[in-house]
Amino acid sequence: GAGVSQSPSNKVTEKGKDVELRCDPISGHTALYWYRQSLGQGLEFLIYFQGNSAPDKSGLPSDRFSAERTGGSVSTLTIQRTQQEDSAVYLCASSFGGAGSGANVLTFGAGSRLTVL
Amino acid sequence: GQQVMQIPQYQHVQEGEDFTTYCNSSTTLSNIQWYKQRPGGHPVFLIQLVKSGEVKKQKRLTFQFGEAKKNSSLHITATQTTDVGTYFCAGPSEMTGNTGKLIFGQGTTLQVKP
Repeated sequence: GAGVSQSPSNKVTEKGKDVELRCDPISGHTALYWYRQSLGQGLEFLIYFQGNSAPDKSGLPSDRFSAERTGGSVSTLTIQRTQQEDSAVYLCASSFGGAGSGANVLTFGAGSRLTVL
Repeated sequence: GQQVMQIPQYQHVQEGEDFTTYCNSSTTLSNIQWYKQRPGGHPVFLIQLVKSGEVKKQKRLTFQFGEAKKNSSLHITATQTTDVGTYFCAGPSEMTGNTGKLIFGQGTTLQVKP
């Protein structure tokens, strides 16, 4: 697609429920990131996929968080047994990848706003 | 691990005043990128600097990459209310090059009083 698409744009859930957030990166982009941004805060790195390499999961805050990327394209971030502190905007970004200049410039999606009641 | 620090965290200026945000990395960067996030929006890429000592301009915005490739700055001349937002710097470690994970600074939030 022309941009990075994320769905849903808004999600309200009850504490303890599982949620899935979807990211559709720009076609051909091999690198994909998930970030979390709480109100008025910076970008908290969650996970990074680069091509066929093992993902960098070093930013996932707990084992309730997981992400996968199928076929090198669409990614799903899953949060199990949601807690109120999980409330935030979850941003996905992708880049062309590779070693060339500009290859790691990110295009962000509009984000998924998660509210846990 | 690699850390990228930005100062100041917040800046309030009167419209027409200049503004500068500074970015410092704990490791040498292969390149530095700057992004702008408007209130309620998502980060949008502004510019990438690659060469040591590089300076680039975009209208009232001037970006610099330090000689040691460990620091960078963004200077806005004569701020306008449209400059309001949070400015992030980001870069991959030179050890991993362009294929490495981008590390973001915490951002500098600019408020402009009309």
